[in-house]
Amino acid sequence: KQEVTQIPAALSVPEGENLVLNCSFTDSAIYNLQWFRQDPGKGLTSLLLIQSSQREQTSGRLNASLDKSSGRSTLYIAASQPGDSATYLCAFQTAGNKLTFGGGTRVLVKP
Amino acid sequence: DVKVTQSSRYLVKRTGEKVFLECVQDMDHENMFWYRQDPGLGLRLIYFSYDVKMKEKGDIPEGYSVSREKKERFSLILESASTNQTSMYLCASSYVQGISGEKLFFGSGTQLSVL
Repeated sequence: KQEVTQIPAALSVPEGENLVLNCSFTDSAIYNLQWFRQDPGKGLTSLLLIQSSQREQTSGRLNASLDKSSGRSTLYIAASQPGDSATYLCAFQTAGNKLTFGGGTRVLVKP
Repeated sequence: DVKVTQSSRYLVKRTGEKVFLECVQDMDHENMFWYRQDPGLGLRLIYFSYDVKMKEKGDIPEGYSVSREKKERFSLILESASTNQTSMYLCASSYVQGISGEKLFFGSGTQLSVL
């Protein structure tokens, strides 16, 4: 069974610092992975999707990489802002169109 | 923009009540999903549907059923609510686009409390 781990569980950084969020998985037979953002008490917003044949995706200040051989994905957020404070979740899709989610990393960007 | 709408933001029910959670999406997505989210347990898939009248069990289907009579609407039913079903319920939808999948779009969630 696919297991997804996100470390650290929580992260606090000063504004302007780059953020590095890690996600590891046990089953390399993935179809894609997605990174989501969740604000307190709200639903999830998809940030980036990386297909299994890709190594990375970029959107503005966000960059996500995928290394299937090592079972890792990393989300980079450049020049963090207080508005980036949220919980970030990674999720992997395997057969059957189902996603398995990590537990999330709670990020606080201090002004 | 894709919109996934969940009918209630907060819901309080009594033990033993039958509870309906409704979800509607406006982008003609084939796939729809119901998750629950609990502190320390993350998101867990309850049921999903890849077409009208089709449904598949997720990881924790016990105590739940679903209905998909129309493509845009996916309902989660708690036949007899119990306190351990107190949770945040999240509906999601996506296109089918080959085997590699497509982005998942979520509703805002329904916080259900069963007393």
